[in-house]
Amino acid sequence: DTAVSQTPKYLVTQMGNDKSIKCEQNLGHDTMYWYKQDSKKFLKIMFSYNNKELIINETVPNRFSPKSPDKAHLNLHINSLELGDSAVYFCASSPSSAQQFFGPGTRLTVL
Amino acid sequence: GIQVEQSPPDLILQEGANSTLRCNFSDSVNNLQWFHQNPWGQLINLFYIPSGTKQNGRLSATTVATERYSLLYISSSQTTDSGVYFCAVDIGNQFYFGTGTSLTVIP
Repeated sequence: DTAVSQTPKYLVTQMGNDKSIKCEQNLGHDTMYWYKQDSKKFLKIMFSYNNKELIINETVPNRFSPKSPDKAHLNLHINSLELGDSAVYFCASSPSSAQQFFGPGTRLTVL
Repeated sequence: GIQVEQSPPDLILQEGANSTLRCNFSDSVNNLQWFHQNPWGQLINLFYIPSGTKQNGRLSATTVATERYSLLYISSSQTTDSGVYFCAVDIGNQFYFGTGTSLTVIP
């Protein structure tokens, strides 16, 4: 009965590959988010998305794209992976910009 | 953009000691949350506190929105309190995290 789940937990891949990380929430929340945590532990928002609006952090390269098949899912697609994409990626959800709940994170390593 | 700074950046405590962590933010915010990132990387909600004071066991938090800061109090610290503490502020459907305070509690 995990509230926010992500798969996979670990992802190791080669430079140039395309990969996806899946996120699902069973809390009935309206808004979902993707964050990147770098090696210095700094957490930075990448996207926020609800049924009506996608807000993209302007610093996020367009190789990253969120895809939401339905209200409970927000997947992250990454094209042409680069070494600098190595990080921990967190998915989160909230009821309309209120308290956020985070998934367990996906550690991405690009070789 | 908004700046969210936390202090101190690092803190080492003897088990049983008390501490205060601070979060300063540079602009008006809609909401504020405190998180604990444990050594396994999990982000755990501590408080959702846009203003006022809340308490949960040994932890309490106070946000003074008009003065743009929030405080997290940890009393009688335990080794399980070790990890990184983050505040995060919301300005219109986007949360911005602070720089974090890394806490180590030694037995």
